[in-house]
Amino acid sequence: KNEVEQSPQNLTAQEGEFITINCSYSVGISALHWLQQHPGGGIVSLFMLSSGKKKHGRLIATINIQEKHSSLHITASHPRDSAVYICAVSLKETSGSRLTFGEGTQLTVNP
Amino acid sequence: NAGVTQTPKFRILKIGQSMTLQCTQDMNHNYMYWYRQDPGMGLKLIYYSVGAGITDKGEVPNGYNVSRSTTEDFPLRLELAAPSQTSVYFCASTSRDRGNEQFFGPGTRLTVL
Repeated sequence: KNEVEQSPQNLTAQEGEFITINCSYSVGISALHWLQQHPGGGIVSLFMLSSGKKKHGRLIATINIQEKHSSLHITASHPRDSAVYICAVSLKETSGSRLTFGEGTQLTVNP
Repeated sequence: NAGVTQTPKFRILKIGQSMTLQCTQDMNHNYMYWYRQDPGMGLKLIYYSVGAGITDKGEVPNGYNVSRSTTEDFPLRLELAAPSQTSVYFCASTSRDRGNEQFFGPGTRLTVL
């Protein structure tokens, strides 16, 4: 079993819909990261959080440490949001701020 | 700042050949990482470094070597390439004063035939 599980693996939405991607982890963490991988392959960091909630534009990330669960929400989705969204965790008691990654969620937003 | 740069972008190797994937960052980050990404799989850590002169193995180090002679550069060496090393390789860097947010290079797509 992976230490980081994402759901769903694939998600198709219509433009304007509210989208939720979930991430569960099974170990103690110091932080959780949400990353976006564009169709061209580049990876960018969206959020890093260790508690509560963060918002950037139409993207919102939440984390519940007790339940070992995080969600990434996209409001008013747009075709340009189509990408792979990756959840990753920094494990406690590991050196070098290493990340353990989920397998990603492929999001397609249709016009 | 250019951020994290990787060369080459694409490469085809024959089985048994060797090559070095280059990675450079200009953000003075002390931590650097090499990952591989296989289709449908999550990123896997190959090697990482917490500073110049210090490297350590990640989850999938077999068939690879690294060095970190400067803060800026973290090359990944493939010796005796095998088809199982066909993958997309990403270099990343971070530092504690960036809250450990990782910055990724554009990736190198390697095919071993």
